Formats: sequence, C-alpha cells, structure tokens
Amino acid sequence: AQTVTQSQPEMSVQEAETVTLSCTYDTSESDYYLFWYKQPPSRQMILVIRQEAYKQQNATENRFSVNFQKAAKSFSLKISDSQLGDAAMYFCAYRSALDSNYQLIWGAGTKLIIKP
Amino acid sequence: ETGVTQTPRHLVMGMTNKKSLKCEQHLGHNAMYWYKQSAKKPLELMFVYNFKEQTENNSVPSRFSPECPNSSHLFLHLHTLQPEDSALYLCASSIGRGTDYEQYFGPGTRLTVT
Repeated sequence: AQTVTQSQPEMSVQEAETVTLSCTYDTSESDYYLFWYKQPPSRQMILVIRQEAYKQQNATENRFSVNFQKAAKSFSLKISDSQLGDAAMYFCAYRSALDSNYQLIWGAGTKLIIKP
Repeated sequence: ETGVTQTPRHLVMGMTNKKSLKCEQHLGHNAMYWYKQSAKKPLELMFVYNFKEQTENNSVPSRFSPECPNSSHLFLHLHTLQPEDSALYLCASSIGRGTDYEQYFGPGTRLTVT
C-alpha cells in the first residue's frame, strides 16, 4: 500500500523569505500524481500545485514550486517570497494513475507559520 | 470559492442523537467523497460515490450512513456516535473520469459529540 510522510509537523519562516516543506512517499507504481494542498485557518482545502510522475519538469505555480525526485520518492514544496496569507496547514497527497476512484493518499500535514 | 458547500458548519450532538451532514457541489462533477479530519492525522477517506454509486467504503462503522440521491448532493447520516467521532468532516468532489483528477473541497462541518 502507498504511504505519504510529512516529517515536519510545523515550520516557520520570516515574511518574504523562502521555505521548503518536505514530503516523501512510498509506492511500487511508476505512474501516479502528486499534490500539495493548502488548508488555511478557515478550513477550506485548496489545491496549490500538482505533478504528474511521468513529467520530468518540476511544476511551478507563481511563488510555489516543487522539487520532484522520482527515484528518491521525494516531493518537496518551495514557497518563495512568503506572505502572511501563506500561513496554513499544507498537505502532500498521492494518487495512483490506476485508481478509478481517484482516491488520494494523504500525509499528516505541516503547519506553516509566517513571522511578520 | 470552490463550488462545494457544506451544512451545517458546526454541530454539537449527544451520543443518542440522529443528525445529518449535507454537501452540495455546483461544479458538474460526478464523484463525491466524505473525509474525516482529526488533528495531527492524515485525512481519512470514508466514502466515495461515483456517478451516484458507492464505490468505496473504507471500513467505516455503521453509525455513519452515506446517501447520494444525485450527483450534486451527498449526505452523511449520523446516529449513536461516540466521542471519538468528534472531528472535522470534509466533503469533496471531482469530475470522476478522464484526466481531471483535482478534488475540490467544501469548508467542512466541525462535529462535536458529547
């Protein structure tokens, strides 16, 4: 069975600085998708960025980028120029390309604190 | 806004009560999900409905009973709950087929069982 591990329960960063959140996963499959979701204190979970395993190029969305290391099964999220609005829980998730139910396997989350 | 709404946002119920959580999506999706979110734990998938058919039940106790009358609405009926069932219950939806695999979440219902 696949698992997702986020080893940092909490991270803090100074506003305008860069922070990297770690995520590792375990799978025997070669085709899958990886996601970072953000859950602000208001609790509505939103998708930040996604990566298809077959793509070698790291995904980027504005200030958010990933470092996808397929061989190492690592999928870290880098947030550049951190803003107060980035404070939230961040969840890493995995989905098998073979799963017709589109089920996500979730990490336990990392709480990101932004220091003004 | 993600187009997924949940009511109520907060619910306090006794162990002998019966209540229902409601989820509605306005995105034209065909798959809907119930998750349980407890502090410091990964989200736990409870139920999946795909085209109104329940396709997954992750060993959820029978005191939780889902209902999906159509592809836009999803209910979670609750009865004789336990204090350990207190959690945030999240509903999500996705298009359910093809390559669109993003799940869109509602704001959740904070449930407290006393």
